[in-house]
Amino acid sequence: GAVVSQHPSRVICKSGTSVKIECRSLDFQATTMFWYRQFPKQSLMLMATSNEGSKATYEQGVEKDKFLINHASLTLSTLTVTSAHPEDSSFYICSASPGPYEQYFGPGTRLTVT
Amino acid sequence: AQTVTQSQPEMSVQEAETVTLSCTYDTSESDYYLFWYKQPPSRQMILVIRQEAYKQQNATENRFSVNFQKAAKSFSLKISDSQLGDAAMYFCAYRREAQKLVFGQGTRLTINP
Repeated sequence: GAVVSQHPSRVICKSGTSVKIECRSLDFQATTMFWYRQFPKQSLMLMATSNEGSKATYEQGVEKDKFLINHASLTLSTLTVTSAHPEDSSFYICSASPGPYEQYFGPGTRLTVT
Repeated sequence: AQTVTQSQPEMSVQEAETVTLSCTYDTSESDYYLFWYKQPPSRQMILVIRQEAYKQQNATENRFSVNFQKAAKSFSLKISDSQLGDAAMYFCAYRREAQKLVFGQGTRLTINP
């Protein structure tokens, strides 16, 4: 149980285009989902928190107009990187929480912007 | 703001031996949660162990145990009988408000056969 999927696992896009990453909780309902960014050989940095049916809250320094987050249902959150640039290339990880204690992570999405 | 520090970028241990990974944190809260996560080469984050700050007893999960020193704000992870499958990046994490996690820099653990 407690499986979180991400799609796609890898994506390459051209500079200036937008790319959408999906995060799904497969066997539980997630009241809250989180999006993290991980640079090579570095730690995970929280980008934003999304709650179903409400606007996402972004961490300081994260551009909300560049990283659009939608939490349309209790099992799906999406992250759209708009007008992507090479510096947006990174590993993006989502996590989902069914309640106040546990948090389950997706396998991550590697984004490369050329 | 809460911070988490892992001062050991890399550690290595012989298979079947014991290794301890260090973590310190800074917070003004009295009630909180601490975690150790494992990230193998697959990049999938896996929860290793969790500690509630209000519990004085150190958490244990099979070969994994913690030494939680609340006054010192220290939260080390001990891995006993190390196995090749334990090789991974290990991240210490502090849970902020609304379940937000703050991660340390990570420690890369190598297991020598």
